[in-house]
Amino acid sequence: AQTVTQSQPEMSVQEAETVTLSCTYDTSESNYYLFWYKQPPSRQMILVIRQEAYKQQNATENRFSVNFQKAAKSFSLKISDSQLGDTAMYFCAFMKPTGTASKLTFGTGTRLQVTL
Amino acid sequence: GAVVSQHPSRVICKSGTSVKIECRSLDFQATTMFWYRQFPKQSLMLMATSNEGSKATYEQGVEKDKFLINHASLTLSTLTVTSAHPEDSSFYICSARDPWAGGPENEQFFGPGTRLTVL
Repeated sequence: AQTVTQSQPEMSVQEAETVTLSCTYDTSESNYYLFWYKQPPSRQMILVIRQEAYKQQNATENRFSVNFQKAAKSFSLKISDSQLGDTAMYFCAFMKPTGTASKLTFGTGTRLQVTL
Repeated sequence: GAVVSQHPSRVICKSGTSVKIECRSLDFQATTMFWYRQFPKQSLMLMATSNEGSKATYEQGVEKDKFLINHASLTLSTLTVTSAHPEDSSFYICSARDPWAGGPENEQFFGPGTRLTVL
């Protein structure tokens, strides 16, 4: 079974600064997908960014980028120019592709607080 | 992106009663839906995978007679918590897979969640 570990329960960053959230995972699969989801106080889960394991290039979505280290099984999220609206729980997730039944395995989450 | 709704958003019930939560995909047909449970300040735990027209697949440790899942149409899945007890109080989230969406294995879209409180 796959496991996802987020070792930082809480983090804080000042507005406009950069912060990196860490995630490690354990799997014997060679083909899989990794995700970062954001859960703001509204509790609505929002996809932030995704990475296909077969792609060496790190994914980027505007202010969000990842550092994907496949050999180290590490998948960190970097948030640049942090904004107050980035305050949320952030979950790292793993998915092994098995067709329509592909399931997400979530990490324990990191609570990010963006301050003035 | 695609929209998934849940109803109700909040429900309070007495111990021993049953509660039904609906999950609807509003602008796409979802062949597969997922039900999660989230305790305060914790992660999402997958309870079951719901496939339209067939029985749900439950994760280990989830009582299928306690948490009844029905996926009778391509846009609706329901979770019924039977004979609810205070320990069933939690935040329940559904997600739906759009088979026509791009992305890996068809992206999952999440509902806004339902907060269940059992007195």
